[in-house]
Order: sequence, then structure tokens, then C-alpha cells
Amino acid sequence: EPEVTQTPSHQVTQMGQEVILRCVPISNHLYFYWYRQILGQKVEFLVSFYNNEISEKSEIFDDQFSVERPDGSNFTLKIRSTKLEDSAMYFCASSVGGGTEAFFGQGTRLTVV
Amino acid sequence: AQKITQTQPGMFVQEKEAVTLDCTYDTSDPSYGLFWYKQPSSGEMIFLIYQGSYDQQNATEGRYSLNFQKARKSANLVISASQLGDSAMYFCAMRERSYNTDKLIFGTGTRLQVFP
Repeated sequence: EPEVTQTPSHQVTQMGQEVILRCVPISNHLYFYWYRQILGQKVEFLVSFYNNEISEKSEIFDDQFSVERPDGSNFTLKIRSTKLEDSAMYFCASSVGGGTEAFFGQGTRLTVV
Repeated sequence: AQKITQTQPGMFVQEKEAVTLDCTYDTSDPSYGLFWYKQPSSGEMIFLIYQGSYDQQNATEGRYSLNFQKARKSANLVISASQLGDSAMYFCAMRERSYNTDKLIFGTGTRLQVFP
């Protein structure tokens, strides 16, 4: 069964460093998303991406964050100058259409020290 | 304003019994979708079931069913014949369908524990 794949599963980084979280969405999906979940809290929307551009972003998704689809398969989230409060589980998701169910990857746990 | 409300932070159920996890939502959009996801302790988010606002029938997927009461704006998840492996966090989520909105809004979750 096709699935969304995220790498790495766990990343530890020093405050101020840049990190890139990688995702391979399901191959025939056209809509891509990043969400985050701070430990013990609910899942929060960060950004949606369609047709090679951001279609929507939340207030969390400020200039520190960027997304890219560098080739036909990968979808990346870059976090510049990481802060302690960026520590969270980051989920990539994809869906075949804008109103259909989104399938999530297994998440990348980012720890900023 | 809170768009998805899950009022049960934790629920217990005995194995083989049915359990209902509550979810209420708030939207003025006539077109929306409601989702339930399961998050086991390993952390991944597993899609369980979907209900569209125009669907006439309640959604069912195996042991999962969604009790959709549109007038009350509720979308409760019913798990029948609970299994030990059902112990997890359960999140209700809503997607509003409009030209400039394309995201899931999640509730705070309900932690379900199934005991033998």
C-alpha cells in the first residue's frame, strides 16, 4: 500500500542551526502539507502546497520556514535558525485532491537543544 | 474560535465493548469534511474514517463508524468490539472547502485506553 515517507525519523539540532525535513508523498497525490505537533498538544497546520506553490499558510509559518518540491518526488520543509520552541513532531501529508482525506507520514521528531 | 471540540481528554473501555468518542465542530461553510485519525504511542497519524457534509449515510469502515448529526454539528466516532490495539490518541479534524482554504483543523484529542 502506498504511503507517505518522512526522513529522518528523529533529528537533533543545535539552536540556531538550519534543518531540512524531507518527505516523499504518495506518487499520484497533488496536494502536500506540513503539520506540527508540540509534545502533548494538538496537531497544527503549517502550510499547504499545490501546483508548485504555497496555497495556504498559518501564522506559525513565518519567514523562518520555507517549503520546496525540488524534484518530482520530494517535498521538503526547511527551518532556518532553529529555536528551542521549534522542538516538535513534524508531519508531512498528501492528498489526491483538495477536499479528500490526507495521508500522513510517520513524522519527524525534531529536538532543538 | 475553537472549530473542533473534543471534550473527553481520556476514555476507558473494556475489550470487546463499544466506545463513542465525541467531537463537535463549528463552521458556517455548507461544504466541509470531517475526519478521524488515530495516533498510537509510536507517533504516526493513521487515517480512520471520513464524512462529507453532504453525505446522506453515516460513514463506516470496518469496526469504525461515524455518528454524524449535522443539525447538532457533531461527528462522534464509534469503535465497536474494542481491541487492546485500539489504545491510542484519537483526533477529530475538519476540512473546510473553500477556494482559499485547504487545511485540516484538529481537535485536542481523546486518549483511549482499552483494558482486558
